[in-house]
Amino acid sequence: EPEVTQTPSHQVTQMGQEVILRCVPISNHLYFYWYRQILGQKVEFLVSFYNNEISEKSEIFDDQFSVERPDGSNFTLKIRSTKLEDSAMYFCASSGAGVIQYFGAGTRLSVL
Amino acid sequence: TQLLEQSPQFLSIQEGENLTVYCNSSSVFSSLQWYRQEPGEGPVLLVTVVTGGEVKKLKRLTFQFGDARKDSSLHITAAQPGDTGLYLCAGAGYGGSQGNLIFGKGTKLSVKP
Repeated sequence: EPEVTQTPSHQVTQMGQEVILRCVPISNHLYFYWYRQILGQKVEFLVSFYNNEISEKSEIFDDQFSVERPDGSNFTLKIRSTKLEDSAMYFCASSGAGVIQYFGAGTRLSVL
Repeated sequence: TQLLEQSPQFLSIQEGENLTVYCNSSSVFSSLQWYRQEPGEGPVLLVTVVTGGEVKKLKRLTFQFGDARKDSSLHITAAQPGDTGLYLCAGAGYGGSQGNLIFGKGTKLSVKP
């Protein structure tokens, strides 16, 4: 069964460093998303991406965040200068028609 | 701001009991999805309900979307230890907000043998 793949599963970084989280969406999907989940809190929407541009973004998705689809298979989330409060699970999701979203297993980001 | 309130937050029951989890909002959603999430994993889709009043069954799980599309419920019949996990509801808005899923905080279910 097709699945969304995320790498790495765990990323440890120093405050102020840049990180890139990677996702390989389901191959024929057209809509891509990033969410985050701070430990013990609910899953929060960050950004949606369609047709090579951002469709919608939340207040969390400030200038420190960016997304890119560098080739036909990868979808990345970059955090330019990480802060302690960026520590969270980051989930990538993809959708074929923009309604039903399938999630990856997540990347645990730990900012020290 | 759209919010989804899930209740109860925690539920501990014995094997064989029935249970219902509720997901309520003052906002109208175009669809509502139920996920199950294991510790350290991503949400796994269980079902999507789209039509107001819709009822979907998945083996022992019954999902209902409210007539006004503001609420939903998940009913589990004869719960088993394998049903233990975190159940999340997530609502989708309309138009450009369809991709912005609003999640509830989840219901942590524990089924004891």
